[in-house]
Amino acid sequence: DAGVTQSPTHLIKTRGQQVTLRCSPKSGHDTVSWYQQALGQGPQFIFQYYEEEERQRGNFPDRFSGHQFPNYSSELNVNALLLGDSALYLCASSLVTGAEETQYFGPGTRLLVL
Amino acid sequence: AQSVTQLGSHVSVSEGALVLLRCNYSSSVPPYLFWYVQYPNQGLQLLLKYTTGATLVKGINGFEAEFKKSETSFHLTKPSAHMSDAAEYFCAVNTGFQKLVFGTGTRLLVSP
Repeated sequence: DAGVTQSPTHLIKTRGQQVTLRCSPKSGHDTVSWYQQALGQGPQFIFQYYEEEERQRGNFPDRFSGHQFPNYSSELNVNALLLGDSALYLCASSLVTGAEETQYFGPGTRLLVL
Repeated sequence: AQSVTQLGSHVSVSEGALVLLRCNYSSSVPPYLFWYVQYPNQGLQLLLKYTTGATLVKGINGFEAEFKKSETSFHLTKPSAHMSDAAEYFCAVNTGFQKLVFGTGTRLLVSP
């Protein structure tokens, strides 16, 4: 059973560019959440998708957007990249059933903005 | 708003010694609490979680944590540290709809 997968593993962009990160959830999971982890910090919640809709959002600007596909996979898009967007981006999947449900994390995509 | 505070950004122990990583939470409703471990250049792996019921929770790799409502704490312990336990540990609280709020993390260093 494949766990959560993310692509690419590493990415280098320059300021002002746009980036798309991809996530495939664990088999059977229907909810995908995205987190940003800056160096030396804990992960920060960006947003969550369920049934192809953004269900809730953290304190991130509109430059951060996402999408969920019918097969539950998801994309995170970041426009007009800033140096401060350099971070590890983590995708987590879970079942929607309740707040006690475990979120399973992928290995992350490390984004460097120059 | 719910939050967690991890005391100590770094904890150093000798191999075989007790591991104690501290986490205090703030929540106006009964919390769901989690401990995750992150090895270098990897994602997060769940160690254990508290939802309801028994307040002493056992997890993987010999770790356990005790939910103490009176102290608003959820400290992580392991009786005997192993070199392979060296990693970053994150405490997290679920604020609803599976949105996790993480602490700043504690790096565990294990010396031979």
